[in-house]
Amino acid sequence: KNQVEQSPQSLIILEGKNCTLQCNYTVSPFSNLRWYKQDTGRGPVSLTIMTFSENTKSNGRYTATLDADTKQSSLHITASQLSDSASYICVVSMLELANDMRFGAGTRLTVKP
Amino acid sequence: DVKVTQSSRYLVKRTGEKVFLECVQDMDHENMFWYRQDPGLGLRLIYFSYDVKMKEKGDIPEGYSVSREKKERFSLILESASTNQTSMYLCASSFVYRLRETQYFGPGTRLLVL
Repeated sequence: KNQVEQSPQSLIILEGKNCTLQCNYTVSPFSNLRWYKQDTGRGPVSLTIMTFSENTKSNGRYTATLDADTKQSSLHITASQLSDSASYICVVSMLELANDMRFGAGTRLTVKP
Repeated sequence: DVKVTQSSRYLVKRTGEKVFLECVQDMDHENMFWYRQDPGLGLRLIYFSYDVKMKEKGDIPEGYSVSREKKERFSLILESASTNQTSMYLCASSFVYRLRETQYFGPGTRLLVL
């Protein structure tokens, strides 16, 4: 079983609408959690990073939340645009070692006009 | 801007062939990584390197080897390609003492082994 579970697997929304993607993890210990955006045919690009003491982090229309007690994170996208169509990947680090990151399988978001 | 480049976007190889995937970064990063990405699975670490000529196995090193002769270049080698190595391969790099920042990924190489 993957230590980082994302839901839903895929999501289709209309342009201009908001959406929320979920990430639940069982990784322990916990150091930080990142959200990446991966456009089709490209490598992932970092959106946000949060440590256990941070519960909200924003990057433009993207807002990530973290509840380290329940081991849940969400990524909220406001006023979606066509360019938001991508996979969103949740990544959890245990000890900030180079090899200890655990990746979720991602949520595939499609924004339609 | 950090740039991580990979030598090929698409590759088609035959079973048993030796395959070289090259990755170059231009930000003087100490760490470099090779991952594979398969549908329905998260990225899985194959190997990483924290310095020239240094390498560490990741979660799935079997069937792969790596080479880091220069700081900016990290190569992934499939000694004898097999069909189960058909996948997307992603290279990444980062500063060794700034892990909280981010890894920077290349565009990926989609490998098909026939």
